[in-house]
This record gives sequence, C-alpha cells and structure tokens, in this order.
Amino acid sequence: GEDVEQSLFLSVREGDSSVINCTYTDSSSTYLYWYKQEPGAGLQLLTYIFSNMDMKQDQRLTVLLNKKDKHLSLRIADTQTGDSAIYFCAEVNYGGSQGNLIFGKGTKLSVKP
Amino acid sequence: NAGVTQTPKFRVLKTGQSMTLLCAQDMNHEYMYWYRQDPGMGLRLIHYSVGEGTTAKGEVPDGYNVSRLKKQNFLLGLESAAPSQTSVYFCATNGAGSYEQYFGPGTRLTVT
Repeated sequence: GEDVEQSLFLSVREGDSSVINCTYTDSSSTYLYWYKQEPGAGLQLLTYIFSNMDMKQDQRLTVLLNKKDKHLSLRIADTQTGDSAIYFCAEVNYGGSQGNLIFGKGTKLSVKP
Repeated sequence: NAGVTQTPKFRVLKTGQSMTLLCAQDMNHEYMYWYRQDPGMGLRLIHYSVGEGTTAKGEVPDGYNVSRLKKQNFLLGLESAAPSQTSVYFCATNGAGSYEQYFGPGTRLTVT
C-alpha cells in the first residue's frame, strides 16, 4: 500500500538551514505537500509541488522532488525559533480535485537559539 | 471569513457515550474530510465527502458515521465511544479545481 516515511526528529541552530526529508512509495502520486503543525494547533499548509516539477521555491522554503527516487525534501533557510514545529509530508493521487492525503508521521524540528 | 471551524475544541466522554463533532466551512468547498491524529501515527483518513448528500469511507472508518446534509457542514458521529477513539480529530476541505486542503484547528477527544 501507499506509505510515506519521514525521520522523526531534527535539531538545528537558529540561522542555519534545515532540511527535512521524506520518501513515498506511490509512483502515481500527483501532488506532494508540506504541512506545519505548532503545539496544540491544526495543520498549516506550507507549500506543495506537482509531481512533474523538480523544485519549488517560496521565500525561505525550497521544495525539491526527485521523482525517480520518490524523495521529497523541504529546506528552510535561515531557520528561526518560530519555525520549531512538527512538519508533515503528505502525498495524494487526485481523482479530479478530490484526494485523500497520505501523511507521514511528522518530523519534529527543534531550533536552538 | 472564518475558514474551517470545528466544534467542540475539547470533549471528555465515558465509554459507550455518543457524540457528534461538527466541521463548518465558509469557503463553499465541495470536498470535506475527517482525519484522526494519534501519537506516532500521523494523520489517518476516517471518512470524506465529495459533495452535499454524499459520503465515503476512508482508511479507518469503523466506529464512526458521517453526514453531509448541508454543503458547509460535515458531521462526524461516534455512536458508542471507545477508549481507542481517544484522539485529535481534524477536518479538512478543498474546493473543486483546487489542490490545497485546508485544515480546521482540531477537536481533542478523550474517552475514559
């Protein structure tokens, strides 16, 4: 079945870059997502990439997709303490616009001052 | 424009009790979803709806029922709560032609 894997923890120093990695198994995935969850809060959509793209940049965020290896990464430049959160990778194979997201277990990012 | 709201935010139930969680959206989105989040498990889809009056099962539907009588509301029901249903429940929506799913703030449910 479909599966999305992420490492559980990442610790970086403020000002450094963070790279969160994700692998997925469904080669028919059409969209891949990164969500951010702060403690006690819901999921905030950070960015997403269509499967025919290699890279997407949005301010401090860079998403890289290696479709051959089914590997997705999220790079956060100049990481700040406010970036501390759990980051979820998710993939979906949309039928029309309706799609059931398959989530990884989340990577907890800790940013040390 | 409130986006996606969920009611209640917290609830404690005794085993065997019933309750309904409400998800409301004001974005006129066609598609709505209920997920549960458990520690170390990520989010898993319970049920979803592609439009008013339609529902379908997700990955973990057992013990839950849903209804979508109005386009803006998606209800999740627990007829006889069990401790295994202790979780945080999230609702999500997206519109036709959009691939951005937006999540509500969650409902934390504890079943004792």
